[in-house]
Amino acid sequence: GIQVEQSPPDLILQEGANSTLRCNFSDSVNNLQWFHQNPWGQLINLFYIPSGTKQNGRLSATTVATERYSLLYISSSQTTDSGVYFCAASGGFGNEKLTFGTGTRLTIIP
Amino acid sequence: GAVVSQHPSRVICKSGTSVKIECRSLDFQATTMFWYRQFPKQSLMLMATSNEGSKATYEQGVEKDKFLINHASLTLSTLTVTSAHPEDSSFYICSVPYLMGSNEQFFGPGTRLTVL
Repeated sequence: GIQVEQSPPDLILQEGANSTLRCNFSDSVNNLQWFHQNPWGQLINLFYIPSGTKQNGRLSATTVATERYSLLYISSSQTTDSGVYFCAASGGFGNEKLTFGTGTRLTIIP
Repeated sequence: GAVVSQHPSRVICKSGTSVKIECRSLDFQATTMFWYRQFPKQSLMLMATSNEGSKATYEQGVEKDKFLINHASLTLSTLTVTSAHPEDSSFYICSVPYLMGSNEQFFGPGTRLTVL
């Protein structure tokens, strides 16, 4: 099955800084999603982005499918951005199961 | 996007008892739901695929007799942890693929199981 790797595993930044999180995947994908897991464990959907670029406020994401990677950008970080960010991917259409990366733990210091 | 609920949000039980966790898709019908497990400080691992009208399919290494899955209707899947033991303590999360033009998945809030 598809392999998903994320880097860096941990990231500590000062409030106001920008950050880039990376997700590499081993095969072509038809689903790639970025999530933020909040302190209570809820996975918040950030982006559904099997290809291309999307932006939502201070967050944006780019997936270069041909080179098998995706990037999540967070600008002007706030303490509420802290938490674990996961990317997950699947290689098929329809009801395909997602494979999760190991996550990036982001800590924003005031 | 889709709205997915889980019940209970937290459960503590004694070793040897069975625990049922419900996953509901609140705003659309789902023929497929997925069940994941997450241990502390780890990523999510798929346990099984719940299929409406047919048997669940389990990932390698997941005991089907221990983790019973029933896709009772197009909006409800249940996961029953039978004869729970402390090593089954974990965070269980379900997801529903939203098939209206994409296969984006939406996740329930999770159920934290503690087995004493």
